[in-house]
Amino acid sequence: NAGVMQNPRHLVRRRGQEARLRCSPVKGHSHVYWYRQLPEEGLKFMVYLQKENIIDESGMPKERFSAEFPKEGPSILRIQQVVRGDSAAYFCASSKGQGKYGYTFGSGTRLTVV
Amino acid sequence: GIQVEQSPPDLILQEGANSTLRCNFSDSVNNLQWFHQNPWGQLINLFYIPSGTKQNGRLSATTVATERYSLLYISSSQTTDSGVYFCAVERISGGSNYKLTFGKGTLLTVNP
Repeated sequence: NAGVMQNPRHLVRRRGQEARLRCSPVKGHSHVYWYRQLPEEGLKFMVYLQKENIIDESGMPKERFSAEFPKEGPSILRIQQVVRGDSAAYFCASSKGQGKYGYTFGSGTRLTVV
Repeated sequence: GIQVEQSPPDLILQEGANSTLRCNFSDSVNNLQWFHQNPWGQLINLFYIPSGTKQNGRLSATTVATERYSLLYISSSQTTDSGVYFCAVERISGGSNYKLTFGKGTLLTVNP
């Protein structure tokens, strides 16, 4: 039973480019969450999605960031026109339902903006 | 929001030693998890433990929800145990009980 799969593991982008981070949840999990870990900080909630719906994006920056979880395929976190401050580790988690079953986290994507 | 405090912030051990990491939280929770972030940055799920005690090999955890704390025990530590240990909780509240709040972590270094 594969866990949460994130790719790529490492991503380097120049300022102004777009970054796309992918997340395939645990088989059977329909709830996906994205968290960001800035250098020297803990993980912070960004967005919560169910299939084809954004439930809560209160932790996501208002501009340049978007997330989707289509009916088919992985969840995508998209960052447009990246800046140096976007350099961070981005983690995806999935669950069967809202929380009471626990969350399974992926290994993360480390984004470096040069 | 809920506060999560972990102690100690840093811990250095010799291989073979035992240790206890603590997590205090400021409000009632319906979920508590422990994670290990290894030196390569990967986040590994250790325990889902909103209450009670669980064991997995050399690791065990206990959560006393009524007193708002959890403990992670590492016995016979190995160099591969090095990394940051995070505690994360999910608060009982209406409307947004799906967000984990993470503590700042305990940085564990196990020397050979």
